[in-house]
Amino acid sequence: NAGVMQNPRHLVRRRGQEARLRCSPMKGHSHVYWYRQLPEEGLKFMVYLQKENIIDESGMPKERFSAEFPKEGPSILRIQQVVRGDSAAYFCASSRDRENTEAFFGQGTRLTVV
Amino acid sequence: AQSVTQPDIHITVSEGASLELRCNYSYGATPYLFWYVQSPGQGLQLLLKYFSGDTLVQGIKGFEAEFKRSQSSFNLRKPSVHWSDAAEYFCAVGLNSNDYKLSFGAGTTVTVRA
Repeated sequence: NAGVMQNPRHLVRRRGQEARLRCSPMKGHSHVYWYRQLPEEGLKFMVYLQKENIIDESGMPKERFSAEFPKEGPSILRIQQVVRGDSAAYFCASSRDRENTEAFFGQGTRLTVV
Repeated sequence: AQSVTQPDIHITVSEGASLELRCNYSYGATPYLFWYVQSPGQGLQLLLKYFSGDTLVQGIKGFEAEFKRSQSSFNLRKPSVHWSDAAEYFCAVGLNSNDYKLSFGAGTTVTVRA
């Protein structure tokens, strides 16, 4: 019974490249949440998705960031034209539903922009 | 908006000694409070949560936390630490019991020495 799987664990990108972070939720979970942890700060909510729907993207930066959770396959957080300030740990969590259900977190992807 | 402060970035404790991790929150209404742990190579795991009722909350792995409204604190304690408790600990506050927009503290890293 695998937990929430994120890959890659570590990702290095040069400024201007694209970064794709993947999150496979736990089996039976259809709700996915992405968080970002900047250096020396706590995790901050970015986006909440259900299968094929973005429910709440109020924490997403307005430009260069996008997220999807297709009917089949993992959820993807995509960062275009990365900048040094995008260097952070990105965590994904999943839950079975929204009502009184614990969210389970993945190990995170550490993105370094050089 | 709610916020969380974890004043201690790093704590070193001897195996068998007691541990207390501090957490202070800022939120006008009744907070929903959480403690998570991230062991090396693992995702965040929920240790315990406080929604209402008894201010002393028991969690997994022998941890407990006490909610003190007068001090806006939710400190985590364990009477006797084990080497496996070496990890990073995050305190978080939410608006309700299944709030996915949790506000996390920056975390406290615990090192356990033999």
